[in-house]
Amino acid sequence: RKEVEQDPGPFNVPEGATVAFNCTYSNSASQSFFWYRQDCRKEPKLLMSVYSSGNEDGRFTAQLNRASQYISLLIRDSKLSDSATYLCVVNIPLGGSYIPTFGRGTSLIVHP
Amino acid sequence: EPEVTQTPSHQVTQMGQEVILRCVPISNHLYFYWYRQILGQKVEFLVSFYNNEISEKSEIFDDQFSVERPDGSNFTLKIRSTKLEDSAMYFCASSGRDRSYEQYFGPGTRLTVT
Repeated sequence: RKEVEQDPGPFNVPEGATVAFNCTYSNSASQSFFWYRQDCRKEPKLLMSVYSSGNEDGRFTAQLNRASQYISLLIRDSKLSDSATYLCVVNIPLGGSYIPTFGRGTSLIVHP
Repeated sequence: EPEVTQTPSHQVTQMGQEVILRCVPISNHLYFYWYRQILGQKVEFLVSFYNNEISEKSEIFDDQFSVERPDGSNFTLKIRSTKLEDSAMYFCASSGRDRSYEQYFGPGTRLTVT
């Protein structure tokens, strides 16, 4: 089982739709969870941290489910500019340290 | 808004040559990172650096790689003898606090080894 897994998509949705992505992680001792977005051939840009209590930033809501070992990202009222690849990042324990580990990303295409 | 900068944006080198990739992290950040992304693949952690020493490194970060903070602003990644498989985008990132906090990425250096 891969350490951090994401459905690669693409998710193809119309403007205004609500779309949700999940990201699963294999190590229950993982800490610190984040969502980033990456546009083609650009750097990852931080979207938000993910907390057990859930957190919201405008149209974006992130949630952590430790029992089932996944994090989620919900985007409401999708905009054309939301088209990107969404990367989850999990800090996975390794040899006494924690290694930031990226998923492969989920591609989102928002169309008119 | 403060940002991480990287130079050069694109570096072409021949196999076996040494390359140095440069980064200027956000000025009040204390934790620095290098990642690589081979075209079409996921972002992979290479190394983290704090208080002038490596704090964590991945299995990718072998003896061919080294990092340095030569002055108060620059953070460099050196690849001693490049191989074809080192061709990738290399991203620098910095964080105001430790790895549990958000990291901010530079625009990357595209390294092409021929």
